[in-house]
Amino acid sequence: AQRVTQPEKLLSVFKGAPVELKCNYSYSGSPELFWYVQYSRQRLQLLLRHISRESIKGFTADLNKGETSFHLKKPFAQEEDSAMYYCALSPAYSGAGSYQLTFGKGTKLSVIP
Amino acid sequence: DTGVSQDPRHKITKRGQNVTFRCDPISEHNRLYWYRQTLGQGPEFLTYFQNEAQLEKSRLLSDRFSAERPKGSFSTLEIQRTEQGDSAMYLCASSLSKGDTQYFGPGTRLTVL
Repeated sequence: AQRVTQPEKLLSVFKGAPVELKCNYSYSGSPELFWYVQYSRQRLQLLLRHISRESIKGFTADLNKGETSFHLKKPFAQEEDSAMYYCALSPAYSGAGSYQLTFGKGTKLSVIP
Repeated sequence: DTGVSQDPRHKITKRGQNVTFRCDPISEHNRLYWYRQTLGQGPEFLTYFQNEAQLEKSRLLSDRFSAERPKGSFSTLEIQRTEQGDSAMYLCASSLSKGDTQYFGPGTRLTVL
């Protein structure tokens, strides 16, 4: 069984400060990791995924298999980054049990002007 | 708007009534997912369709829940004999393939009185 843990329910940072949203996972196989974001009154949308190794809106995340972590980072927070962030995991194999995303409980990021 | 759409957006019902929700995925997506999200939690997987075949069901999907995707396009989720514990946001997502991004709809918020 897979599990995703986001230890912080709420994270408040000042504009221009660095941001790190923590995500730890538990999964015995090879995972695919994602960060989804939900801005106020908008639908859940993909922010980034580890296999693409992209930087989206200044955010990056590195998969650390040794620490089973996939923390989301941004060097300088902007007010428009205020949102709910969810870390999610999907098994990398194809087959039974592999199609679902397992989400963490989410971290609400509040960027203080 | 060519994104995932869901109808209705809100549903208030009395305990014991049946409710049905509809999801229209992105047109070329053959994979469709239902999730449930309760307050303070991340989305939890309910079921998955590949075309019209329901290939995976979560243990969360009790026998009061049934989902269909009769022609491999839109999907319906029915809850029979609703209970107060069914109050949640029901999210639909679609994707092109297993490894592809899941695109989420706006959700249907169910309140059971």
